[in-house]
Amino acid sequence: TQLLEQSPQFLSIQEGENLTVYCNSSSVFSSLQWYRQEPGEGPVLLVTVVTGGEVKKLKRLTFQFGDARKDSSLHITAAQPGDTGLYLCAGGGTGSARQLTFGSGTQLTVLP
Amino acid sequence: NAGVTQTPKFRILKIGQSMTLQCAQDMNHNYMYWYRQDPGMGLKLIYYSVGAGITDKGEVPNGYNVSRSTTEDFPLRLELAAPSQTSVYFCASSYSLLAGGPNTGELFFGEGSRLTVL
Repeated sequence: TQLLEQSPQFLSIQEGENLTVYCNSSSVFSSLQWYRQEPGEGPVLLVTVVTGGEVKKLKRLTFQFGDARKDSSLHITAAQPGDTGLYLCAGGGTGSARQLTFGSGTQLTVLP
Repeated sequence: NAGVTQTPKFRILKIGQSMTLQCAQDMNHNYMYWYRQDPGMGLKLIYYSVGAGITDKGEVPNGYNVSRSTTEDFPLRLELAAPSQTSVYFCASSYSLLAGGPNTGELFFGEGSRLTVL
């Protein structure tokens, strides 16, 4: 069973601060996705990375896939209250089922 | 554009009762999934389907059953509900190639069904 550990589990910061969320595993993944979930809703995809060392930017969010494809990070610059939510990483499998393994999530609160 | 629709949104069951959570998608996706989300535990895969007529167990299938008679619908059946099944259930769908390449398909989720078993 592939496991993904996210840290920190909870993060509360002031508006304008920077933060980094980590997603780590001992397993290799074919791809890594990041989702954001708001209360009462399902997760929504933010980004997919597939190549070791890949870096993608989405406005103030920067996503990186580790060289060995076992870990990933999400960095938010100048956080805003609208960034508040549960951030989930999900690793893509290589089997025929093509299942995703989800991390336990990081609950981010950005205070105005 | 409906996407993935789940019903009901909320349900309270007594121990031993049975019920079906409905899920429908209108995106012609071949893959469909059922996850449960417990506080601090992320999403756990219950069952998934790669196409009509084909289903398979995920990480936590005990106490649940599914069927996939059409591309659009993927109901989840709870038999003999137990307090341990209290959770938020999410249905999701994606379009994936059946062979080769990394799994990069985006999952589209419904809004969830909150189930309480008392």
